[in-house]
Amino acid sequence: KNEVEQSPQNLTAQEGEFITINCSYSVGISALHWLQQHPGGGIVSLFMLSSGKKKHGRLIATINIQEKHSSLHITASHPRDSAVYICAAPRGNQFYFGTGTSLTVIP
Amino acid sequence: ETGVTQTPRHLVMGMTNKKSLKCEQHLGHNAMYWYKQSAKKPLELMFVYSLEERVENNSVPSRFSPECPNSSHLFLHLHTLQPEDSALYLCASSPSGGEGTQYFGPGTRLLVL
Repeated sequence: KNEVEQSPQNLTAQEGEFITINCSYSVGISALHWLQQHPGGGIVSLFMLSSGKKKHGRLIATINIQEKHSSLHITASHPRDSAVYICAAPRGNQFYFGTGTSLTVIP
Repeated sequence: ETGVTQTPRHLVMGMTNKKSLKCEQHLGHNAMYWYKQSAKKPLELMFVYSLEERVENNSVPSRFSPECPNSSHLFLHLHTLQPEDSALYLCASSPSGGEGTQYFGPGTRLLVL
């Protein structure tokens, strides 16, 4: 069993829909990362959060450290949001990654 | 532009070849990382360098040999690779080791024939 589990693995949405991606982890951490990987491989760090909620544009990330669960929400989704979203749980120098959620937003 | 560059972007090599991947960061960071991303698998952390010292080596085969000559440069030397080593190799850096935000390079897509 992977230390970090994401759901769903694949997600197709219509433009404008509200999207939620979930991440559960089993390791004890103080912060969690959400990454975005576009086709071609480039990875961008979206959020690092240790409690509560963070917002950046149409992206919102929440975390519950006690329940070891985080969610990434995208409001008013757009085709350019199509990418793989990866949850990462760091512990010391080690990083545990989810397998990613592949999102496709259809115009 | 994330400030982390990788060369080459694509590499095809035979199993008897020796090649090197290069990573450079212009962000003044003290920690650098090598990751491997194979198809349908999570990212795998390979090596971590903090202040030019290797602090993590995740049971990576010896055919992968990292080198960090200074805090801005990181190399991954490859020799006698196997076809299953074909993957996307990503470099990242962070201000310090540990749990801080990492900045990723674009990756080198490697194909071993």
